[in-house]
Amino acid sequence: KQEVTQIPAALSVPEGENLVLNCSFTDSAIYNLQWFRQDPGKGLTSLLLIQSSQREQTSGRLNASLDKSSGRSTLYIAASQPGDSATYLCAVMNTGNQFYFGTGTSLTVIP
Amino acid sequence: GAGVSQSPRYKVAKRGQDVALRCDPISGHVSLFWYQQALGQGPEFLTYFQNEAQLDKSGLPSDRFFAERPEGSVSTLKIQRTQQEDSAVYLCASRGGESNQPQHFGDGTRLSIL
Repeated sequence: KQEVTQIPAALSVPEGENLVLNCSFTDSAIYNLQWFRQDPGKGLTSLLLIQSSQREQTSGRLNASLDKSSGRSTLYIAASQPGDSATYLCAVMNTGNQFYFGTGTSLTVIP
Repeated sequence: GAGVSQSPRYKVAKRGQDVALRCDPISGHVSLFWYQQALGQGPEFLTYFQNEAQLDKSGLPSDRFFAERPEGSVSTLKIQRTQQEDSAVYLCASRGGESNQPQHFGDGTRLSIL
């Protein structure tokens, strides 16, 4: 079974800092990988989707990379803002249409 | 509506009662997924539909859990004889026709079993 790990579990940074969130997975035979943010009491908002054939995706201040062979993905957030405070979840899809989620990184950006 | 809609947002039930949770996916989305999210954890897969066909139900934790999508649109997750360990947030997601499209999630139903 696919195991997804996210490090760190929690992160607190001052506003304006650049930061990196890490995601690792045990089975490299993935179809795609998706990064989400989750605000308290809310569902998941899709941030970036990387196909297995891609190395990275960018959207605004966010950049996600994928190294499938080593089982790793990173989410880079540039110039962090207090509104970025949320839990960030990494999810890996195997070919069976099943998403496997990590436990998330709780991010706090301090004004 | 524009997004995935789930109802009710909150449900409190006594142990042993049956509950039904509803999901309205994005219009035209072929694929629909149910997940269970325990407090402080990531969501865990329960089941997957393509149109009205339930193609994968390997994540359903017991035979008390049942999901259906009879007309290929709205889906209902039913839990019979609820137990305290069923308390969680139940998330629904939908996706367009291709597997390389992102999943879009609703805000979930928070189920509390007393």
